[in-house]
Order: sequence, then C-alpha cells, then structure tokens
Amino acid sequence: KQEVTQIPAALSVPEGENLVLNCSFTDSAIYNLQWFRQDPGKGLTSLLLIQSSQREQTSGRLNASLDKSSGRSTLYIAASQPGDSATYLCAVNRDDKIIFGKGTRLHILP
Amino acid sequence: SQTIHQWPATLVQPVGSPLSLECTVEGTSNPNLYWYRQAAGRGLQLLFYSVGIGQISSEVPQNLSASRPQDRQFILSSKKLLLSDSGFYLCAWRTGRTQYFGPGTRLLVL
Repeated sequence: KQEVTQIPAALSVPEGENLVLNCSFTDSAIYNLQWFRQDPGKGLTSLLLIQSSQREQTSGRLNASLDKSSGRSTLYIAASQPGDSATYLCAVNRDDKIIFGKGTRLHILP
Repeated sequence: SQTIHQWPATLVQPVGSPLSLECTVEGTSNPNLYWYRQAAGRGLQLLFYSVGIGQISSEVPQNLSASRPQDRQFILSSKKLLLSDSGFYLCAWRTGRTQYFGPGTRLLVL
C-alpha cells in the first residue's frame, strides 16, 4: 500500500530565506508526483508536476526534484515571501489512485 | 479546455440529514473521477474513485456513498450525516497521467 509522508509538518522561516520541503513515498512504481498549494479554506492549486521519467521541474522560484529509486521528492522555494505562506501537499499518482501526504504548513515571517 | 465544477461551495447541515454533493467535468471524456475528504487538521483522504459509469471503488468504510450516473458526473451522498462527516470535500479527475482538482465543498455538520 502506497504511503506518502511529508516532513516537516510545519515550518516557520523569516522572509527571504530559501527552504526545502520533503516528501517520501513507499512504492517507487509511480506515474508522476505533483506538488500542490492549499490556502486556508480553499481548494488545491497545482504547482509542479514531475513525470516518472523526469528528475526535476522548475517554475519561477519553485524547483521540485524526484528520485524514484529512493522514493523521495523535494520542493525548493527560493527567496521566500509572506505570500508563500500556505500548506504544501505532495501527491503520487499510480494506477487509478492519487495518494496525498498530510502536507507541510509553511509560515513566512515578514 | 478542461473544467471541473463542484457545488455547493459551502454547506451547513444538521446531524441526521441527507447529503448530496455533485461534481461535473467538462472538456474531457471517460475520465477517472475521485472524491477526497480533508477533515480538520488532517490530510486528504481518498474516499471513492470511479473508472467508468456505474463503477465505484470505496477506499474506506464510512457513512458515505458515491455514484456515477453519467460519464462526467460524480455524486457523493449520505442518508444520515454524522458530526464526523464535517470537512472539506474535493472532487478530482484524471485523464492519462495528469490530475485536476475542483474548488471543493466545505461541509459543516451541526
């Protein structure tokens, strides 16, 4: 059974710092891995999608990496801003199911 | 382009009342459809998924049921709501290896 774990559960950093969010999964046979952002009381916003054949994806200040063999992905956020405060969710896609981690609650201090 | 609709956006229901949440998808055919729930302080839990009309797979035993009467319509129901059914309900669809999420319905059972 696929399990997705995100560490840390919560993180507070001063504005301007670079930071890394971690995601691990138990079954490496995945189609893709996706990072989402969720603001309080809102739906999910897709940030980056990495196909199983890819090693990383970049969008602006965000960079996501994927190491299937070790079952790990990281989301790197450069030069953090208060507007980056949200919960970040990692999800893996395999067969007919999408399995989520519990997320990392990120708070950027002004 | 593909679009996913969920309604209502917010719902307040008394304990013991019935529930019907609807999700419809536009711009695609024969998608895999999913219902997720996010309880307060918890991660996104996969409730049901469907690979075709009338085909429903349940991930966890609970007070809810799902139906797919049409190719692009997915309905989440309950005959009698419990307090523990409160949460944020997300519909998602997948075609190929890419998934998309609806805006969600926030359900409060009192």
